[in-house]
Amino acid sequence: LAKTTQPISMDSYEGQEVNITCSHNNIATNDYITWYQQFPSQGPRFIIQGYKTKVTNEVASLFIPADRKSSTLSLPRVSLSDTAVYYCLVGAPPMDTGRRALTFGSGTRLQVQP
Amino acid sequence: GAGVSQTPSNKVTEKGKYVELRCDPISGHTALYWYRQSLGQGPEFLIYFQGTGAADDSGLPNDRFFAVRPEGSVSTLKIQRTERGDSAVYLCASSPGTSGGGETQYFGPGTRLLVL
Repeated sequence: LAKTTQPISMDSYEGQEVNITCSHNNIATNDYITWYQQFPSQGPRFIIQGYKTKVTNEVASLFIPADRKSSTLSLPRVSLSDTAVYYCLVGAPPMDTGRRALTFGSGTRLQVQP
Repeated sequence: GAGVSQTPSNKVTEKGKYVELRCDPISGHTALYWYRQSLGQGPEFLIYFQGTGAADDSGLPNDRFFAVRPEGSVSTLKIQRTERGDSAVYLCASSPGTSGGGETQYFGPGTRLLVL
């Protein structure tokens, strides 16, 4: 399983754009990159997933360079409610490996200030 | 529709006791997962069910931990002879189980287990 490295914590202010970068130098050809968000006392929640280039949904954007050795989660105009832990995960589809479990690191604690 | 639910939300027990934690997955989801999360850490995989069978139990830490899913929906995680180190949040997740790339897992709120 590809190991991921992301900052332990980040601080921001309301209305700013936040970019969280995750390194995954040994990502495999079949691996996808997925980001989850976790609020205190709740389970993780899926944010976005991508394989290469850029993916955007109503919540965030995910930028993946050509070498796929890193990825950046971009949260536009954050609010106080975006304060949470953000996890970057890398793994192959279940069809390839038969393994469906997610491997979480320690995540990035984002604190949004007023 | 209803999400993944877990009961109880909190459980306090004494060292050496037996506990059961319940998970109700999203209706129709064939895949069910158990994770354990210690304070300040990301969730750690325990076991994965596809239907009624445990397809991957490689994350169970030892034989005191056991999980069942007899009818392919509700699952129970059972911990025998609890130890203080078992204290954690136990998370359950489910997914459609229809394969494909990077299937999304939907998590419940967790059960907070405290072993005194």
